Amino acid sequence: KAGVTQTPRYLIKTRGQQVTLSCSPISGHRSVSWYQQTPGQGLQFLFEYFSETQRNKGNFPGRFSGRQFSNSRSEMNVSTLELGDSALYLCASSLGGDTNEQFFGPGTRLTVL
Amino acid sequence: QKEVEQDPGPLSVPEGAIVSLNCTYSNSAFQYFMWYRQYSRKGPELLMYTYSSGNKEDGRFTAQVDKSSKYISLFIRDSQPSDSATYLCAGAGGTSYGKLTFGQGTILTVHP
Repeated sequence: KAGVTQTPRYLIKTRGQQVTLSCSPISGHRSVSWYQQTPGQGLQFLFEYFSETQRNKGNFPGRFSGRQFSNSRSEMNVSTLELGDSALYLCASSLGGDTNEQFFGPGTRLTVL
Repeated sequence: QKEVEQDPGPLSVPEGAIVSLNCTYSNSAFQYFMWYRQYSRKGPELLMYTYSSGNKEDGRFTAQVDKSSKYISLFIRDSQPSDSATYLCAGAGGTSYGKLTFGQGTILTVHP
């Protein structure tokens, strides 16, 4: 069974631009969670989608948004990029429901110049 | 205070040693506990997933959860150089809807 895939793997943007990251979950998984990982703050939860609905959101500004499609694939968007948005963005999928057993993708490394 | 506290190390041990990694947490709603291993420039890999208190063993890995003291541990027996990585503990509540709360991670090096 294929794992979680994320595209692109690497991205370089400049301040003020926007970016869209994509995540394809494990087949049959309906929940997708997004995380930001930085050396200073570690892994921080951004939001979670289940059956195309955002069920939970972390403490990030509104510049960070996401969506989920009917095939469970998910995208996250960051608008008006800031230098501090440079990070590894990880998505994780799970079956959903009561389980929190999440499987991570390889991440997208975003560098903002 | 962070909800999950983890000593960042670094921790260096000789090959074959037993490694003990620990975390404490403050959120009483946590019912699910996980350990992930993350190699440099890779995504976290799920090692152990446990529900509530108790022990769980999988090969060389044993996870322990003590909800009374809000303490979670991961033991690695017969450690190998390939175990060198960052180990992340995480907790989640029953209605956390996809939110895992992570510790800072412990950097482990197993030297031959």
